[in-house]
Amino acid sequence: NAGVTQTPKFQVLKTGQSMTLQCAQDMNHNSMYWYRQDPGMGLRLIYYSASEGTTDKGEVPNGYNVSRLNKREFSLRLESAAPSQTSVYFCASTEGWGEAFFGQGTRLTVV
Amino acid sequence: GENVEQHPSTLSVQEGDSAVIKCTYSDSASNYFPWYKQELGKGPQLIIDIRSNVGEKKDQRIAVTLNKTAKHFSLHITETQPEDSAVYFCAASNTGFQKLVFGTGTRLLVSP
Repeated sequence: NAGVTQTPKFQVLKTGQSMTLQCAQDMNHNSMYWYRQDPGMGLRLIYYSASEGTTDKGEVPNGYNVSRLNKREFSLRLESAAPSQTSVYFCASTEGWGEAFFGQGTRLTVV
Repeated sequence: GENVEQHPSTLSVQEGDSAVIKCTYSDSASNYFPWYKQELGKGPQLIIDIRSNVGEKKDQRIAVTLNKTAKHFSLHITETQPEDSAVYFCAASNTGFQKLVFGTGTRLLVSP
């Protein structure tokens, strides 16, 4: 099984550009999440989707939007990238009280 | 909301020694406490977890203890090996779909 797949793995954006980070899981999980990881700050939740058709804000949602396209896919969009959004982004999925599975991450640099 | 603090931020041990990483949480309603290991360039991977109805859980060289009264939990790694070198994160959750709140991570270095 592929588990959780994120694309792209690396991206460089100019300030003000937009982009969408893609995430897909093949484990039939109901819940999906987007986290960002910054040095010394652990992983912070940006948005989550408890089930298909629902999305909610996490701890740091400003500057981001999400779409739960179907049960498998959960995308994160930066409408107007800022240097403060330079980070490593992780997508994760869970089912009930089961283990959270993470993708390999997208390393984003905004210049 | 929940707040999770993790210590130490870095930990260096000799191969064969034990390593202990500690976390405290603020929300007494939290009832799920996983530990994740993150190797360089990879996403976090679950290594062990514990629920609030259990005080201790072991899996080979790894153990987790939970003190609900004091609101802290710890990861214990015995007989450390160089391949244990990684960043370890604790987390806590009080929701059925695991909206996890993470600690800031501990970089463990095991020297041969």
